[in-house]
Amino acid sequence: ETGVTQTPRHLVMGMTNKKSLKCEQHLGHNAMYWYKQSAKKPLELMFVYSLEERVENNSVPSRFSPECPNSSHLFLHLHTLQPEDSALYLCASSQDLNLYEQYFGPGTRLTVT
Amino acid sequence: GQQVMQIPQYQHVQEGEDFTTYCNSSTTLSNIQWYKQRPGGHPVFLIQLVKSGEVKKQKRLTFQFGEAKKNSSLHITATQTTDVGTYFCAGSRGGSYIPTFGRGTSLIVHP
Repeated sequence: ETGVTQTPRHLVMGMTNKKSLKCEQHLGHNAMYWYKQSAKKPLELMFVYSLEERVENNSVPSRFSPECPNSSHLFLHLHTLQPEDSALYLCASSQDLNLYEQYFGPGTRLTVT
Repeated sequence: GQQVMQIPQYQHVQEGEDFTTYCNSSTTLSNIQWYKQRPGGHPVFLIQLVKSGEVKKQKRLTFQFGEAKKNSSLHITATQTTDVGTYFCAGSRGGSYIPTFGRGTSLIVHP
């Protein structure tokens, strides 16, 4: 266990649904990240938060909306997704932005039908 | 933008053979990290290299950072079936705290 948990582990949703992914880290880290991992593509960084403030938004469609209520929790709110959004969504944390060792959660396998 | 290329994409080896994956960046990196992802799992941090020409070892794994800090390699000696997985490199430029991941090299070890 890496100290980063994600729920749910699997999610199937229709294109008109609204759902949220949750990430929690128990490591006392200050930075948290959302990544998208699709088949045959590199890991895509979506959002970065440091001390609950968003510091990076890599041109992610607005149908993905992050929320970081405190330094231990990170959410990814999903609405009106497309089938091509089906992927493994990984959360990660690091001690600080400048410390690059990242600890990944187990991921949420998302299928959009 | 910064690109990190990783080769090969796949590598099949017989158990006991050596394995090497290479990572090349289009820009000079301030550091590089290596991760391993087992099938069905998530990336797990292996190591970080910071200095030009740095070499680090972890048991059968040897990591190198090039002199120009634009390339890196991971070498596994005498592979075992437990080495199966995808190995990713991730590099960061100076002044950026955001790493760019390579596509990964999937290692398949045949017993």
